[in-house]
Amino acid sequence: QQQVKQSPQSLIVQKGGISIINCAYENTAFDYFPWYQQFPGKGPALLIAIRPDVSEKKEGRFTISFNKSAKQFSLHIMDSQPGDSATYFCAACLTYNFNKFYFGSGTKLNVKP
Amino acid sequence: KAGVTQTPRYLIKTRGQQVTLSCSPISGHRSVSWYQQTPGQGLQFLFEYFSETQRNKGNFPGRFSGRQFSNSRSEMNVSTLELGDSALYLCASSFGQLTYFGPGTRLTVT
Repeated sequence: QQQVKQSPQSLIVQKGGISIINCAYENTAFDYFPWYQQFPGKGPALLIAIRPDVSEKKEGRFTISFNKSAKQFSLHIMDSQPGDSATYFCAACLTYNFNKFYFGSGTKLNVKP
Repeated sequence: KAGVTQTPRYLIKTRGQQVTLSCSPISGHRSVSWYQQTPGQGLQFLFEYFSETQRNKGNFPGRFSGRQFSNSRSEMNVSTLELGDSALYLCASSFGQLTYFGPGTRLTVT
């Protein structure tokens, strides 16, 4: 059973637009939700993370929206830039389970100039 | 601070052989995790070590094993390689839940 479902699989956005990636999770015990950005040939890089006691977290152009009742969370990239073109992964984790992350399947974002 | 380093970056092995991958975590991080990344299965958790003890293990066969040394450096070993083991193997270094990944080791099994 896939613990974290991510959509869309791929996304094309014009420069300056808003990119939105959605994730849904199964286990209500998850208590930490990070987003990672991965460029080709590189390892995933931590972008932003949220805990379920907060509904929104913003860092620069990146915002996580969290809906605990719906078991969903999303990443919004404002003013998307060609340099944001990468694969984005959402993840979920239980604090007591020692950094065992369940990852979504990834979204390949292409920002057109 | 230096990031997570993994060696080697690329490996080509033959089916049936074994392989050892190495990871040096960020200084001060005592937790090291390993993940396998493939196009079909995505990122999958292999195991996690803290202070030389395996605290968690994913759903991989016993051919996959790991260990951690007293300086927090970690190795993972895959014995009797299969074609399906071809993947990017990622090491992650954690302080609390802040988890940082290395660049990975690209393993190709022929």
